[in-house]
Amino acid sequence: AQTVTQSQPEMSVQEAETVTLSCTYDTSESDYYLFWYKQPPSRQMILVIRQEAYKQQNATENRFSVNFQKAAKSFSLKISDSQLGDAAMYFCAYRSRFGNEKLTFGTGTRLTIIP
Amino acid sequence: DVKVTQSSRYLVKRTGEKVFLECVQDMDHENMFWYRQDPGLGLRLIYFSYDVKMKEKGDIPEGYSVSREKKERFSLILESASTNQTSMYLCASSFLTSGNLRRDTQYFGPGTRLTVL
Repeated sequence: AQTVTQSQPEMSVQEAETVTLSCTYDTSESDYYLFWYKQPPSRQMILVIRQEAYKQQNATENRFSVNFQKAAKSFSLKISDSQLGDAAMYFCAYRSRFGNEKLTFGTGTRLTIIP
Repeated sequence: DVKVTQSSRYLVKRTGEKVFLECVQDMDHENMFWYRQDPGLGLRLIYFSYDVKMKEKGDIPEGYSVSREKKERFSLILESASTNQTSMYLCASSFLTSGNLRRDTQYFGPGTRLTVL
């Protein structure tokens, strides 16, 4: 079974600075997808960024980028130019590419933005 | 925009009551999911469905059942609510895997905070 670990329960960053959230995972599969989801205080979970394991290039979505290290099974999220609206719980998630379509989530990191 | 709605934002029930949580999506998604969210545990999958009347157990199905009679609606049922089922329940939906990762994204509802007394 796959597991996803987020070792930082809480993080904080000054507004306009850069912060990196860590995620590691364990799997025996070679082909899979990784995601970062954001859950603001209003509770609606939204997708931030996605990465296909067979792509070596790190995904980027505006101020959000990932550092995907397949051999190390690491998938960190970097938020540049942090904004107050980035304050949220961030969840890392894993999905097999084939078969069962369920997501396996980490325990989350609560990010606080300091004005 | 995709819209996933859940019948209640907050719900308070008594131990032993039968509880229905409803989820509706408007994007003709084949897949629907029920997750439970607890502090320090993240989200855990309870059940999912990839078609009408089809269901599969997730990681923590004990004490729950589901119903999917129509494509857009997926219900989570607590047959006899217990205090350890006090939690946040999130519904999600997605298209059946097409090989296009953008199309496969799961969309979440706002959640139902259930308290069992």
